[in-house]
Amino acid sequence: QVQLVESGGGVVQPGGSLRLSCAASGFTFSSYGMHWVRQAPGKGLEWVAFIRYDGSDKYYADSVKGRFTISRDNSKNTLYLQMNSLRAEDTAVYYCAKNYGTSAYFDYWGQGTLVTVSS
Amino acid sequence: QTVVTQEPSFSVSPGGTVTLTCGLSSGSVSTSYYPSWYQQTPGQPPRTLIYSTNTRSSGVPDRFSGSILGNKAALTITGAQADDESDYYCVLYMGSGIWVFGGGTKLTVL
Repeated sequence: QVQLVESGGGVVQPGGSLRLSCAASGFTFSSYGMHWVRQAPGKGLEWVAFIRYDGSDKYYADSVKGRFTISRDNSKNTLYLQMNSLRAEDTAVYYCAKNYGTSAYFDYWGQGTLVTVSS
Repeated sequence: QTVVTQEPSFSVSPGGTVTLTCGLSSGSVSTSYYPSWYQQTPGQPPRTLIYSTNTRSSGVPDRFSGSILGNKAALTITGAQADDESDYYCVLYMGSGIWVFGGGTKLTVL
């Protein structure tokens, strides 16, 4: 069955950096686009970034553009999110999600990893 | 800045029917936005309910249905049950690799 397991969350100071990982299994990782979606405490879901199956194209929400970088290693079945210049408002649970085929929705989600930006 | 709108809260009686909507701050939602719907309970990741406007995800009961109503996407729950009490989110695909979530609707079943 499809499994997505995020890791790398933690506490970081404002202005700091953190790299999240998402280990995928149960499907052919190299064939599917992948997303990062976040949820601030007590708030709604926010789409963060998308990467195509082969890493050829990457897209970002305006709120993270220029600070976050999505990437993937298809040989390791792993998705990444490099987060730089972190701000308090980046505090959230970060979920990775699999894109359904060539369609435009998320069909499987990980359990999430919490990132706290605080001094 | 495109804003996707949802009712902040809604309540329904057990066994009742409720329709949640997903609109745009400017313009109409159509199937071209590939609206999808997600259910989330506290402390859990979202669960995919509906995609491409009206297709139920695997294992989703048929009392959940999606449609376009007027200028909005809609999620209808027919015969609401206690465990339908959750937060519901829609998301629209804006094209050019960009998705936007609505603010979510907190559904109470009482």
